[in-house]
Amino acid sequence: KAGVTQTPRYLIKTRGQQVTLSCSPISGHRSVSWYQQTPGQGLQFLFEYFSETQRNKGNFPGRFSGRQFSNSRSEMNVSTLELGDSALYLCASSVGTGGSDYGYTFGSGTRLTVV
Amino acid sequence: KNEVEQSPQNLTAQEGEFITINCSYSVGISALHWLQQHPGGGIVSLFMLSSGKKKHGRLIATINIQEKHSSLHITASHPRDSAVYICAVRSNTGNQFYFGTGTSLTVIP
Repeated sequence: KAGVTQTPRYLIKTRGQQVTLSCSPISGHRSVSWYQQTPGQGLQFLFEYFSETQRNKGNFPGRFSGRQFSNSRSEMNVSTLELGDSALYLCASSVGTGGSDYGYTFGSGTRLTVV
Repeated sequence: KNEVEQSPQNLTAQEGEFITINCSYSVGISALHWLQQHPGGGIVSLFMLSSGKKKHGRLIATINIQEKHSSLHITASHPRDSAVYICAVRSNTGNQFYFGTGTSLTVIP
């Protein structure tokens, strides 16, 4: 069965631009969560979606947003890019959410470089 | 203060050694996860624990909810176990995820 697919794998953007990243979960998984990983801060939680609704959000500015579609695919958007947004962005999917945890399957990530 | 603390930060072992990585957390949790990240970035979810102990092959994970502590053990370590191991917790208030900074393990043949 196909894994979690993130596109694109690599991306270079200029400061001030915006970017949209995509995540296709494993078939049957209804929860998608997003994470940012940087050498300085490590892994940080961005947000989680379940059945097209944002269930919880990490401590990131409003420039970071996301959405989930009816087929469970998710996108995250970063507007007005800053150099500090350069990171590996990972998404993970799972069967369910809402306080009861299931295993997570991670995608390979999108490496974003802001110049 | 970090909600999740891991030790050690770096670990080098000889092939065959028994390895322990520790994780302490300060928040109430609904679950604790152990993750493995290989060079190149791919993350694999190894265990999800809310109590007790789980075993998968040569890997064993334990959690003590009262002491807010978890350990990941690797028996008969192998060079392919070389990776970064990350402890993550899901808080039971607000459903936030908090991550440790990771333990970089190198197993030498």
